[in-house]
This record gives sequence, C-alpha cells and structure tokens, in this order.
Amino acid sequence: EAQVTQNPRYLITVTGKKLTVTCSQNMNHEYMSWYRQDPGLGLRQIYYSMNVEVTDKGDVPEGYKVSRKEKRNFPLILESPSPNQTSLYFCASTTKKANYGYTFGSGTRLTVV
Amino acid sequence: QKEVEQDPGPLSVPEGAIVSLNCTYSNSAFQYFMWYRQYSRKGPELLMYTYSSGNKEDGRFTAQVDKSSKYISLFIRDSQPSDSATYLCAAGGDSSYKLIFGSGTRLLVRP
Repeated sequence: EAQVTQNPRYLITVTGKKLTVTCSQNMNHEYMSWYRQDPGLGLRQIYYSMNVEVTDKGDVPEGYKVSRKEKRNFPLILESPSPNQTSLYFCASTTKKANYGYTFGSGTRLTVV
Repeated sequence: QKEVEQDPGPLSVPEGAIVSLNCTYSNSAFQYFMWYRQYSRKGPELLMYTYSSGNKEDGRFTAQVDKSSKYISLFIRDSQPSDSATYLCAAGGDSSYKLIFGSGTRLLVRP
C-alpha cells in the first residue's frame, strides 16, 4: 500500500530533550515536506526537500532541523524542544507527476512540557 | 494578510443539502489549487485538484477556481454524514512545490 509513515503517533517530552520524528514513504517520491498544524493557523510548512541532500526552509523553520540522506526518509529533529513546539506534525510527499498532490502521513501529536 | 483565507466554520447542514465551501487567495502567481479532506485524528487526503481557472467534477464534488477574483470553491451535492470533516483549501505555483493552506472549514452533515 502506498503510504507515508510517521513515528511516533503521540509523544510527550520535556523542554530541552532532543527528539526525532521519523518519516518514511514507499512511493519513490522526490519531494517531501514537514508541516505543523495549529488551531486557527492551519498547516504551515516547516521544511521541505526536493530530493536527496536538497533541503530548504519553509515558513516556520526555527527550532527544527531535517536531513534527507535517503530518498524514502525525511526525519524531523527538534534539538531543544520548547512548549511553543507543542503541535500536530505531518510529513507529506509528492512527485512531479502528481504536481502538488501531496500524500500525508497520519500525524504526530507532540506535547512539550 | 494570509495568502490563503478560509472561513473556519463550523458549517452544519442537513443530510442531502448542497454544501458550498470557499477560499480566497492573494498571490496571483498561484496556478495549482486543491481541496483536502481531513477526518478527526487523520492526515489530510487529497480530494480535488485543479490547474488554473475552471471547473472540475468528481462524483458529488465540484471544484471551481476563478483566477480573476482569486476565489476557490468546493461544492458537495447530496451531502452525507460521512462527509463530516474539516476541508482544507490549498494553492501553489512555484517550482519548490510549496503548498499554502487555508486554516480549514469544519463541516458537519446531520442525519
């Protein structure tokens, strides 16, 4: 089944403790992206990647890092999480043939206390 | 001003009603317009995709884009309780494949 898989689905952590949210897609998509979703603000792009080793900042990159060492994986790293990073995070991928038709993962609900 | 604006609702309609969901956008460079549906505790799923102006129909769903007024619409005919979800409009237009999303409209279809 074609899908984007994120882990974990739920995470509660403390301020300052480094964490990684993994994202993997099995569709050989070249484009991958991370979004955060907050009430009233919709989906905002954090980082995106146009291919292996090619990443760039989205609209809200502060406090986040990403890497794209393999085509299928695009982990999101929070080096020192803060409470304002409490949010619902989505990884998504697409390909040129699909134009902008991103396939989304099921989401990771992160709480930073 | 947000690049894509969407009324958050909630919008409550009886089963069988025609639903109209709308968004406006400000960037005239946008060429790709989409509607995503998001059920509670799930990721958004692509519902409709339109390139440039015009209409696109898929079953009970019709997407319209009017680039002259920068208006995006989604119509749902014969709405069903299973259509109850949050609907997100989105627009994009440059080579970075970046999508700008509206904040979503919550729809409730009452049996």
